[in-house]
Amino acid sequence: RKEVEQDPGPFNVPEGATVAFNCTYSNSASQSFFWYRQDCRKEPKLLMSVYSSGNEDGRFTAQLNRASQYISLLIRDSKLSDSATYLCVVYSSASKIIFGSGTRLSIRP
Amino acid sequence: EAEVAQSPRYKITEKSQAVAFWCDPISGHATLYWYRQILGQGPELLVQFQDESVVDDSQLPKDRFSAERLKGVDSTLKIQPAELGDSAMYLCASSPDAAYNEQFFGPGTRLTVL
Repeated sequence: RKEVEQDPGPFNVPEGATVAFNCTYSNSASQSFFWYRQDCRKEPKLLMSVYSSGNEDGRFTAQLNRASQYISLLIRDSKLSDSATYLCVVYSSASKIIFGSGTRLSIRP
Repeated sequence: EAEVAQSPRYKITEKSQAVAFWCDPISGHATLYWYRQILGQGPELLVQFQDESVVDDSQLPKDRFSAERLKGVDSTLKIQPAELGDSAMYLCASSPDAAYNEQFFGPGTRLTVL
């Protein structure tokens, strides 16, 4: 079993739809969690941190479920520009950093 | 806006040759990371530096890969000899310190080994 797992997708949804995907992790001692966005042939960029209490940034909501060991990302009112690969990142420690393989999202007009 | 610089952007080499990649992190960032990203996968951490010291290189194939950050600023990743399976994107990232956690990535070096 991989330490961090994501559904590779692709998720193909119409503009304006709400879409959500999860990322599961195996190490219960994991400390920090993030979502990064990576456009095709570009470098990853931080989308948002994931806090225990959950956090929201505009149309994006991230949540952490420690009991079930997963994080989630919800995108509301999706835009064409949201098309990208979304990578979850799990820190077991400051030097134990694991990226998921990413979930591809494609928004259609 | 400060950026992480990497060069070259693209490198084509033949197997058994030596290659080197360079990274200049954002000024003042103490922590520097080298990742390898194979197409369709997430980045895999190869080595992490805190200033000039290696914090973690457990995933670095040390028989052929080496990394250094001699003055705690810019860094070089070397592969010698390159193998076909080394074809990938090599990403460098930096952060103000390890505890800060947000990483800023450079544009990467795309390596093709023929």
